[in-house]
Amino acid sequence: QSALTQPASVSGSPGQSITISCTGTSSNVGSYNRVSWYQQHPGKAPKVMIYDVSKRPSGVSNRFSGSKSGNTAYLTISGLQAEDEADYYCCSYEGTKTFVFGGGTKLTVL
Amino acid sequence: EVQLVQSGAEVKKPGESLKISCKASGYRFSTYWIGWVRQMPGKGLEWMAIIYPGDSNPRYSPSFQGQVTISADKSINTAYLQWSTLKASDTAMYYCARHTDYYDSPGFPDSWGQGTLVTVSS
Repeated sequence: QSALTQPASVSGSPGQSITISCTGTSSNVGSYNRVSWYQQHPGKAPKVMIYDVSKRPSGVSNRFSGSKSGNTAYLTISGLQAEDEADYYCCSYEGTKTFVFGGGTKLTVL
Repeated sequence: EVQLVQSGAEVKKPGESLKISCKASGYRFSTYWIGWVRQMPGKGLEWMAIIYPGDSNPRYSPSFQGQVTISADKSINTAYLQWSTLKASDTAMYYCARHTDYYDSPGFPDSWGQGTLVTVSS
């Protein structure tokens, strides 16, 4: 079981859009539409932003969206705001009731 | 409202044992999978293990199999993570997380505890 691959960092200016990738394998991301994304601010617990690839929990801004193609999932944040600056993690089901996280991406809002 | 309240920070020496807890409220504890996630200092999230309190059926990440034990007591709505022999490399923040229900398997982690900081140092 290896961590999903995410870019270490991304950045964007307020109002812009950014996309974070999450690359797995045919054993996890490629086989299941069960990718979720988490936002974590320093010193805080993670918060789910997207689940089942593209679904948004109640209360999460529609500026956050998710998609998937093959073994790679994507999180897009549009209309960047200062409060979006945080670490973002993807998570995928791997079968046999186990999961795996990505290495995390630090988003900087310039 | 789902709430997960974890036990307080721990400072231990290498070789000691430890059991941390996560008390759930606001939902039917026995019917949702609940798990643990590690975050080492300055590092990312690592999925460790999950358990179904209804029948105490556990699953482990291969990386953590044999290193920790997950358990649950449905009579008091509490999940546990324990170590028999701590190492300095176990120093980390540990989060418990409830998983949603996805047909006959666990769904995504949707509710999280506040974290328990474990420090292992001689």
